[in-house]
Amino acid sequence: QSVLTQPPSVSAAPGQKVTISCSGRSSNIGNNYVSWYQQVPGTAPKLLIYDNNKRPSGIPDRFSGSKSGTSATLGITRLQTGDEADYYCGTWDDSLSAVVFGGGTKLTVL
Amino acid sequence: QVQLVESGGGVIQPGRSLRLSCAASGFTFSSYGMHWVRQTPGKGLEWVAVIWYDGSNNKYADSVKGRFTISRDSSKNTLFLQMNSLRAEDTAVYYCARDRTNWFLDAWGRGTLVTVSS
Repeated sequence: QSVLTQPPSVSAAPGQKVTISCSGRSSNIGNNYVSWYQQVPGTAPKLLIYDNNKRPSGIPDRFSGSKSGTSATLGITRLQTGDEADYYCGTWDDSLSAVVFGGGTKLTVL
Repeated sequence: QVQLVESGGGVIQPGRSLRLSCAASGFTFSSYGMHWVRQTPGKGLEWVAVIWYDGSNNKYADSVKGRFTISRDSSKNTLFLQMNSLRAEDTAVYYCARDRTNWFLDAWGRGTLVTVSS
């Protein structure tokens, strides 16, 4: 059982938009910045979004992040087949004194 | 460019010990906190431990507290994870990752597989 809650899977057609939610509580998302990671099966995770809504260099603006209260959302527009991957949210939890991740969401581009 | 290379994984019997290493290059290792994150095959990410940039502090997941020790040798640009009293549930790919302000991990190694089995 992960501390942060994500939907197990989402799907959409190429060219469409998808959002992935990440729900937490005041001790984690409510009081800390959220980051998002993309993991293509068989490879290491890759940072997509940090500080709720910032993109590292090289990450296209098709990827966006937002946070409101104790929830965060990753948005991906103009979906491509290459976006098929697992997506994880992460943050610090003040109560646990630990980094916590969501359980991951598998994106299928139909 | 930033590079992190883990090593030391393998097959180990329950109850035994193993030490993982993570060789860092391409950045000033002594200026960054470092993490270990693991992933059971087919499952999600599980954070394991973090060590401060200067080694002055560390934190552990409850699942490994008292059994695992994170350490670093900044003279050798290397991060370590000493794993004692290993259990079957410790079987996973172990990644090292670089910490940035506000607890995001901006660089990851390729991982090393640890299999705990008799």
